[in-house]
Amino acid sequence: GAGVSQSPRYKVAKRGQDVALRCDPISGHVSLFWYQQALGQGPEFLTYFQNEAQLDKSGLPSDRFFAERPEGSVSTLKIQRTQQEDSAVYLCASSLAQGAYYYGYTFGSGTRLTVV
Amino acid sequence: AQSVTQLGSHVSVSEGALVLLRCNYSSSVPPYLFWYVQYPNQGLQLLLKYTSAATLVKGINGFEAEFKKSETSFHLTKPSAHMSDAAEYFCAVRGDDKIIFGKGTRLHILP
Repeated sequence: GAGVSQSPRYKVAKRGQDVALRCDPISGHVSLFWYQQALGQGPEFLTYFQNEAQLDKSGLPSDRFFAERPEGSVSTLKIQRTQQEDSAVYLCASSLAQGAYYYGYTFGSGTRLTVV
Repeated sequence: AQSVTQLGSHVSVSEGALVLLRCNYSSSVPPYLFWYVQYPNQGLQLLLKYTSAATLVKGINGFEAEFKKSETSFHLTKPSAHMSDAAEYFCAVRGDDKIIFGKGTRLHILP
C-alpha cells in the first residue's frame, strides 16, 4: 500500500481482556518498529523486526506484550490481560532499509487503546 | 546511551513570527538527528534529518535545523509561523538499532 496501515484505529478493552493490534507496512519495507505513546509523551520503543526476525524486544514492558511478523510483512502486537497502564497510542513504523535510523521511518496513524 | 532533551513542553508564537524549538542531544557515537511533526490523531511525519553531511539541514514546510556539535544542539527554526504549523514536534536521535524520541514540544500559533 501507499502508507503504513494500522487497525483498528480505536480499541476499548475491559481490564483483563486480550487485544491484538495489526500493522500493515509499506510493501517491500524490511524494517518494522512498534512504539508506545502515552498521553502527552513521546513515542517509546517497544520492538523491532528485520523481515520476520525480531531483533530487539528490549522495550516490551512485560511478558504480557508479544509481537510477531511471521511472513516478514504484516505484524501483530498482542497484549494479554490488559491493564489500565496499557492505555496509549500504539504506533507502527516501517523503513525500506536495514539501517532504518539513517532514512527515518514512515509511521502509521496509530491505534488508540483505552483500557477501562 | 543516546538521548534527546527538548526544552519547553509548550511554545507559543504569533502568526508570522519566528519559530524556535530547542533540542539538545547526548550520543556516544556520531549522531544522526531527526525532527518529526505529529498532527492531532495522526502518526509522525519526518520534517528533516541530519546524517553528518551539511550542518544546516532544510526540511519540508519551510523548517530548518542547525547541528552544533560544540553545543550538542539541533534546534528547529522557521522564519515565519503559519497557523497550519500548530502541532506536536519531536526531536529524535538514532539509538543502536532504532530512533529514540524526546518528549515533544507542542507549538501553538497565536492569531
